[in-house]
Amino acid sequence: DSGVTQTPKHLITATGQRVTLRCSPRSGDLSVYWYQQSLDQGLQFLIQYYNGEERAKGNILERFSAQQFPDLHSELNLSSLELGDSALYFCASSTGQMETQYFGPGTRLLVL
Amino acid sequence: GNSVTQMEGPVTLSEEAFLTINCTYTATGYPSLFWYVQYPGEGLQLLLKATKADDKGSNKGFEATYRKETTSFHLEKGSVQVSDSAVYFCALRDSGNTGNQFYFGTGTSLTVIP
Repeated sequence: DSGVTQTPKHLITATGQRVTLRCSPRSGDLSVYWYQQSLDQGLQFLIQYYNGEERAKGNILERFSAQQFPDLHSELNLSSLELGDSALYFCASSTGQMETQYFGPGTRLLVL
Repeated sequence: GNSVTQMEGPVTLSEEAFLTINCTYTATGYPSLFWYVQYPGEGLQLLLKATKADDKGSNKGFEATYRKETTSFHLEKGSVQVSDSAVYFCALRDSGNTGNQFYFGTGTSLTVIP
């Protein structure tokens, strides 16, 4: 158990819908990262937050957004969902900006 | 730019066989290098890391040496077990202006048969 929690574990929705994925980092960790893992594209970095501020942006679509709240939990919002958004979404956390990342168990999203 | 290239799988080995999973990287600076392992149905777990050239990371019988001259970080284990069956990801961390961004390889699936 990495100490990173993600909810929900599974999510099934329809195209065009909007969902919110939640992540609670390890106690004391200030950085949160979001990744998308799909069969055809592997593990892709989406975005990083550090202590509430966005620090790095990867291959995140404009239909996706994220935020980190004062209590350091983070949410990833996916809107106008498409079939191709079906994937595993992982959250990771680290103590600072230069530390090892610890991954949560992931949220499996299925868009029908 | 930064990228990681891993040997493609799947890899199937008999128990007690020697394992090598190749990983090479391209980086603009001086990255840290990592191996993560993903067991079925779980998130990624850090297996080992090396933060500078010639460092050797090791854990649970796995080893990898940061080779700057060949830009490689190959994962090795002398005698694999059935419990090592998992997907292995090589990654580099760019510690430049892009925060703590990690770049992952595509993963190599390992199956160890008794």
